[in-house]
Amino acid sequence: DAEITQSPRHKITETGRQVTLACHQTWNHNNMFWYRQDLGHGLRLIHYSYGVHDTNKGEVSDGYSVSRSNTEDLPLTLESAASSQTSVYFCASSGDGTSGTGELFFGEGSRLTVL
Amino acid sequence: AQKVTQAQTEISVVEKEDVTLDCVYETRDTTYYLFWYKQPPSGELVFLIRRNSFDEQNEISGRYSWNFQKSTSSFNFTITASQVVDSAVYFCALSVMYSGGGADGLTFGKGTHLIIQP
Repeated sequence: DAEITQSPRHKITETGRQVTLACHQTWNHNNMFWYRQDLGHGLRLIHYSYGVHDTNKGEVSDGYSVSRSNTEDLPLTLESAASSQTSVYFCASSGDGTSGTGELFFGEGSRLTVL
Repeated sequence: AQKVTQAQTEISVVEKEDVTLDCVYETRDTTYYLFWYKQPPSGELVFLIRRNSFDEQNEISGRYSWNFQKSTSSFNFTITASQVVDSAVYFCALSVMYSGGGADGLTFGKGTHLIIQP
């Protein structure tokens, strides 16, 4: 079965370190998204991509970057981790042709703690 | 910019009661899509429904029903005869289709934590 996987599922790091969260989907979806979930804020969009070499900033993109070198992967990088980036991160994908209005399929989430 | 408001932070009911989760959205665009997702205690996000702005028909799926009213910009979710397994955080979300085509992902509300007590 096609799926979307995130790794690592749990990560503890220190302030200032670079961290990369991986996201891999096997649906061949063009659209991929990264959200963070924090208590009291729901899910907020960090970055998204509508295809290879396409990336766009979301609502809370400061301190994060993404790159899309193939259809299957959209890694999320924290260049210099800060305590405010402690959160649960969700990757999602959708296969609709209208770029972002279709049902999102979510990964299981990656819990990041920055000490 | 669009916005989704779920005013109920937490709701607690006794099993078998009916419960309605409110969702109010804001957008200036005429073409948009509304969603509900469920997040059980295990943490995954489960898609429940997607509805476009041109379809105001209410929808029923088993014990779940959705009431879409453009006049009040609301997309409310009702669970009939609630069960303990319905305990979860429920998110309402909005995606806007821009006039030139394309969209920029889903905007989520902050969620409603539903507790069903046995």
